[in-house]
Amino acid sequence: GNSVTQMEGPVTLSEEAFLTINCTYTATGYPSLFWYVQYPGEGLQLLLKATKADDKGSNKGFEATYRKETTSFHLEKGSVQVSDSAVYFCALLTGANNLFFGTGTRLTVIP
Amino acid sequence: DAGVTQSPTHLIKTRGQHVTLRCSPISGHKSVSWYQQVLGQGPQFIFQYYEKEERGRGNFPDRFSARQFPNYSSELNVNALLLGDSALYLCASSTSSGHLVDTQYFGPGTRLTVL
Repeated sequence: GNSVTQMEGPVTLSEEAFLTINCTYTATGYPSLFWYVQYPGEGLQLLLKATKADDKGSNKGFEATYRKETTSFHLEKGSVQVSDSAVYFCALLTGANNLFFGTGTRLTVIP
Repeated sequence: DAGVTQSPTHLIKTRGQHVTLRCSPISGHKSVSWYQQVLGQGPQFIFQYYEKEERGRGNFPDRFSARQFPNYSSELNVNALLLGDSALYLCASSTSSGHLVDTQYFGPGTRLTVL
């Protein structure tokens, strides 16, 4: 079946620290992969995506590379800010147009 | 420009009742998708509609149904409500092909409580 597993939170980092949120997936075929973010008091929004193996998605200083050999799509940022505090969801889109989300990782960045 | 709007914002129902949730997409968006988000979990995909046709369906029972209107707004209907249907129901819209690879713009959700 299709599923996404992401690291459990919460994650607490100091400002300017390096961030990694792990995401691995199980899928049949060749899925597209996404990171969505939910800031406090706001709706869910797309952060970045990659539609084929070895693609790198990037946005707002965040990056994730689609690794088919390790079935992973880890989210990274070199220097987090307080404004990055949010819940991050990894998601997988199958060829049958079905979207699967992970359970979310809450990130808190402290000054 | 207005974002995706959903109504109502909150709703309380009892087991066995039915409910209708409404979504208006961003102007110009022709695709609408629906998601269920149980507290503490990630969203689960329910349906996608594009140009009034169903383009995707998640793993939900037949008690869940949806439709899209000529103005691209959409309704999600849930019959014979169960306690487990209590969740935040999210609607999202997107511009183009009717495939979920397109950027989805999410609304604020409708909080449904089933007693």
